[in-house]
Amino acid sequence: AQSVTQLDSQVPVFEEAPVELRCNYSSSVSVYLFWYVQYPNQGLQLLLKYLSGSTLVKGINGFEAEFNKSQTSFHLRKPSVHISDTAEYFCAVRMDTGRRALTFGSGTRLQVQP
Amino acid sequence: DTGVSQNPRHKITKRGQNVTFRCDPISEHNRLYWYRQTLGQGPEFLTYFQNEAQLEKSRLLSDRFSAERPKGSFSTLEIQRTEQGDSAMYLCASSSNTATGELFFGEGSRLTVL
Repeated sequence: AQSVTQLDSQVPVFEEAPVELRCNYSSSVSVYLFWYVQYPNQGLQLLLKYLSGSTLVKGINGFEAEFNKSQTSFHLRKPSVHISDTAEYFCAVRMDTGRRALTFGSGTRLQVQP
Repeated sequence: DTGVSQNPRHKITKRGQNVTFRCDPISEHNRLYWYRQTLGQGPEFLTYFQNEAQLEKSRLLSDRFSAERPKGSFSTLEIQRTEQGDSAMYLCASSSNTATGELFFGEGSRLTVL
């Protein structure tokens, strides 16, 4: 079975500052990794995904994430955040074969302050 | 709009009543998933279908919960004899049948049990 740990439940940051949202996973098999964003009263939207290949993955809205297999991490970063980035961010994992369902972390609320 | 559609968006009911939620996936997607999300938590997997076959059910899905996907198109999630602990956002997602098919989420159906 897989599990995902998002180490920070809330991350306050000032506008235009860089941010890193941490995600660690546990799995006995190879996995695919995802970051989703959820704005208030909206569904989850895919930010980026790691399937294979380059460990640095670029997504929408200027976000990127780096897959680190040795540390079983998939941290999300953005060099300069905007007020509009305020949202809940979820890291998720699924096996690369077999079971298709995603396992989500508990989420990190990014609060961008002016 | 050809995204995942969920109805109703909000449902308030009294304890003991039955409720049903409907999900219309993206038309070419043959996989459909139900998740439950409570306040401050990440989505938790409930069940998933490939076409009309229900291939996996979580232990979270008690006997009061039933999901169907007749003809492999839309899906319904019914909760019988609702309890206050059932109050949550119920999310539906769909994906294609490719190995790397990402999940596309609807905006969710929020259930409040009084």
